[in-house]
Amino acid sequence: NAGVTQTPKFRVLKTGQSMTLLCAQDMNHEYMYWYRQDPGMGLRLIHYSVGEGTTAKGEVPDGYNVSRLKKQNFLLGLESAAPSQTSVYFCASRRPLADTQYFGPGTRLTVL
Amino acid sequence: TQLLEQSPQFLSIQEGENLTVYCNSSSVFSSLQWYRQEPGEGPVLLVTVVTGGEVKKLKRLTFQFGDARKDSSLHITAAQPGDTGLYLCAGGKGTNAGKSTFGDGTTLTVKP
Repeated sequence: NAGVTQTPKFRVLKTGQSMTLLCAQDMNHEYMYWYRQDPGMGLRLIHYSVGEGTTAKGEVPDGYNVSRLKKQNFLLGLESAAPSQTSVYFCASRRPLADTQYFGPGTRLTVL
Repeated sequence: TQLLEQSPQFLSIQEGENLTVYCNSSSVFSSLQWYRQEPGEGPVLLVTVVTGGEVKKLKRLTFQFGDARKDSSLHITAAQPGDTGLYLCAGGKGTNAGKSTFGDGTTLTVKP
């Protein structure tokens, strides 16, 4: 099992450009999450999904959109990137009622 | 907003020393997780505590959940350079789509 994988690992964007981050998990987990991690601020939840076809806003959703067309994939989109979105993005998944979240290796995004 | 405050934010010690990291909140959590994150990787779960007053041991690491389930501590005995990393606590409410609130983390450096 690969667990949780994220694509790409690194990306540099110019302000106003768009991009999509892909998260894939092969553990058949229902719940998936997108976080951003900034120095001194821990992990902040952007969006999450409790199942295929459903998504919901987290703590910091502005400027991001998500889609969960397939159970194993959770996509995070930036329509018009801003320097404030420079961060490390982590995807995670878990089973309902389970305590353990499994995290991907992260995507380091820089917006110039 | 539920807040989890971790202290200290940074800790630098010599190999063989003991240390304690704290995770405090004004909210009650049904469970609390401790994660360890190494540079360039996602967080990895160390332990989950669910019962007030619970103590769990993982080799040289001792985790305690407060009686009121609002706080937790992580104690490392005889720290080793391999313990170096970012330690994150995360509190769960049991329901609410499995969302967790993360603390800001404690960066531990153990010098040989």
